[in-house]
Amino acid sequence: NFMLTQPHSVSESPGKTVTISCTGSSGNIASNYVQWYQQRPGSAPTTVIYEANQRPSGVPDRFSGSIDSSSNSASLTISGLKTEDEADYYCQSYDSSNWVFGGGTKLTVL
Amino acid sequence: QVQFVQSGAAVKKPGASVKVSCKASGYTFTSYAMHWVRQAPGQRLEWMGWINVGNGDTKYSQNLQGRVTITRDTSASTAYMELSSLRSEDTAVYYCASGHSAAAHFWGQGTLITVSS
Repeated sequence: NFMLTQPHSVSESPGKTVTISCTGSSGNIASNYVQWYQQRPGSAPTTVIYEANQRPSGVPDRFSGSIDSSSNSASLTISGLKTEDEADYYCQSYDSSNWVFGGGTKLTVL
Repeated sequence: QVQFVQSGAAVKKPGASVKVSCKASGYTFTSYAMHWVRQAPGQRLEWMGWINVGNGDTKYSQNLQGRVTITRDTSASTAYMELSSLRSEDTAVYYCASGHSAAAHFWGQGTLITVSS
């Protein structure tokens, strides 16, 4: 079964830049859409990146997504970190029309 | 703006069924897919399945095949997720999320379903 692997946690200081990775277990992650969802404690997820690098309206351009085919991975980069960015971030792709989520990465901004 | 109103929290006994609703507004309901995703306490998001709201076609997670049914009422702009033969492991927050077949763009607020005897 296709799996997505994320680091369990990352931390960085306000104003800095952080990158969260999402590595596919097989295939070519670049051939399927990759999304990133933000989930603040006690809240529903929201979409911050879809189709690898597209931002929904209202999501600041501090959030960006990319794909690295050589490592079969996707990345979410958040620049100019703010304390409000502290949340869990999940990557999501799909395999044979079934969605697959990564395990989530807890971002701490301290 | 896009909004979803999901049905309220519920407590169910093991073996029972639950049906969660998700009423959409702010967009053309039939133009987008509706997915259902759940999250057990402290766990990752888990995809349950989706419905092509336009034609009613569905696809379900193999993990839940046979226990989950997703339907929609286009006249009411409402999607439904029914889960049967409930067990304690089904205790979770259940979210609806609209988008296309591969991605969610907008999410509901979630519905807590507790399975307990």
